[in-house]
Amino acid sequence: QQPVQSPQAVILREGEDAVINCSSSKALYSVHWYRQKHGEAPVFLMILLKGGEQKGHDKISASFNEKKQQSSLYLTASQLSYSGTYFCGTEIWRGTASKLTFGTGTRLQVTL
Amino acid sequence: DVKVTQSSRYLVKRTGEKVFLECVQDMDHENMFWYRQDPGLGLRLIYFSYDVKMKEKGDIPEGYSVSREKKERFSLILESASTNQTSMYLCASSLGVGNEQFFGPGTRLTVL
Repeated sequence: QQPVQSPQAVILREGEDAVINCSSSKALYSVHWYRQKHGEAPVFLMILLKGGEQKGHDKISASFNEKKQQSSLYLTASQLSYSGTYFCGTEIWRGTASKLTFGTGTRLQVTL
Repeated sequence: DVKVTQSSRYLVKRTGEKVFLECVQDMDHENMFWYRQDPGLGLRLIYFSYDVKMKEKGDIPEGYSVSREKKERFSLILESASTNQTSMYLCASSLGVGNEQFFGPGTRLTVL
C-alpha cells in the first residue's frame, strides 16, 4: 500500500517556503525522500530512521514522527532549482530484506 | 560515484514478444530493484533482489519475472509483452536496509 503524499502539486514564488507531507498506515523502519526532475532519474535527498529524528540539508530538512508514521519535508527560501517531483519512500524491514514503497509524488514548481 | 546503468533508454516491442531489460551496478550493492513509473502513480515496485539468485515480489509482479545470476546484474523479463506494460522502467540498487537507493537512467518501453 502506497504512502499518501500531500499536496499533489504546489506552485511557489522563489524565496517562499513549502511543506510536503507523507503518511503511512504501516510501522516503518525509515522514510526516504527523493527529487526527480523531468526526464531524469530520481535523486536521493535524505533518509530518516525511526526514532523521530530530524535532518537538514542546506535549506531542505525533514522530520519523521514514528508514532504517527508520518514524515514531512520542509523547503525553505525555495530556489528555481527546487522544481521537480518529490517522492517519499517508506521502508519496511522484512527480515531478509527491506522494501521501499513510494508515494505518488508531489509536483513542485518554483517561479520567479 | 555509484553507477547504475540500464541496457536501453528507449525500446519498442510488439505485443507477445519476450522482452529483456538489463541493469548493472558497479558498487557491489546487495540489493537491487525494478520499478515502473506511470503518470500519477509514482514508482511502483515490481521485484527486488537481496542476494544473488534471491528475489522477492514487489507490489505489481504480475506479467514480469526477474533473474539475478551475478551480484552486479539484475534482469527484468516480460514473458509476453502487452500494451499495458508500456511504461518507464527504473532500476535501482542499495547497500541494504536504511540506505539510499541509486537509480539508473530508466528505459522507456513502448509495446505496440
